Amino acid sequence: DADVTQTPRNRITKTGKRIMLECSQTKGHDRMYWYRQDPGLGLRLIYYSFDVKDINKGEISDGYSVSRQAQAKFSLSLESAIPNQTALYFCATSDSMTGVGQPQHFGDGTRLSIL
Amino acid sequence: AQSVTQLDSQVPVFEEAPVELRCNYSSSVSVYLFWYVQYPNQGLQLLLKYLSGSTLVKGINGFEAEFNKSQTSFHLRKPSVHISDTAEYFCAVSASGGGNKLTFGTGTQLKVEL
Repeated sequence: DADVTQTPRNRITKTGKRIMLECSQTKGHDRMYWYRQDPGLGLRLIYYSFDVKDINKGEISDGYSVSRQAQAKFSLSLESAIPNQTALYFCATSDSMTGVGQPQHFGDGTRLSIL
Repeated sequence: AQSVTQLDSQVPVFEEAPVELRCNYSSSVSVYLFWYVQYPNQGLQLLLKYLSGSTLVKGINGFEAEFNKSQTSFHLRKPSVHISDTAEYFCAVSASGGGNKLTFGTGTQLKVEL
């Protein structure tokens, strides 16, 4: 779904490096989310943001930080990467204005490998 | 808090055969239920959702799911699968009033064989 764009699509880096994953959306949604996907574990929520000034931790936020630079942009940072942060990372958006239970819309993911 | 269980990590099936992917959930509040599909090297795509009303929900690509409150289940079905249905399928739940945050199951890999 090109409406939610993640960059880069793939990244290989070394332990201890600082990494930023970026997400931008053209859907006009107010809510944005970061997940990581690991084989056999499904997707787990790292951080979510309901608005530019409203950022919240998810179930696995340790070792990560986020920034909501604008309604359309939500970036995820790994301050000092470690190998067990190797995973597939997804950004998602949803719209609170069109009613309850709205689904999330996902980007194509960033595959991150930390050596 | 909510939780989702997808007991089958892999489901092999022959083309044109029916398939059911199982999903059970746990929650102390009302929930909304979703099924997503992930094709290789792609993000998740919404298949269908249950918010309220009729317990039988129809989605894209011929899939349907039935909400069963007493059994806390939301199984996904398709009467005749195609090779192109090979993908990973995720069941997810969000709590009513929970801000659309999703809790995912661990996924079921559907492999359709000739």
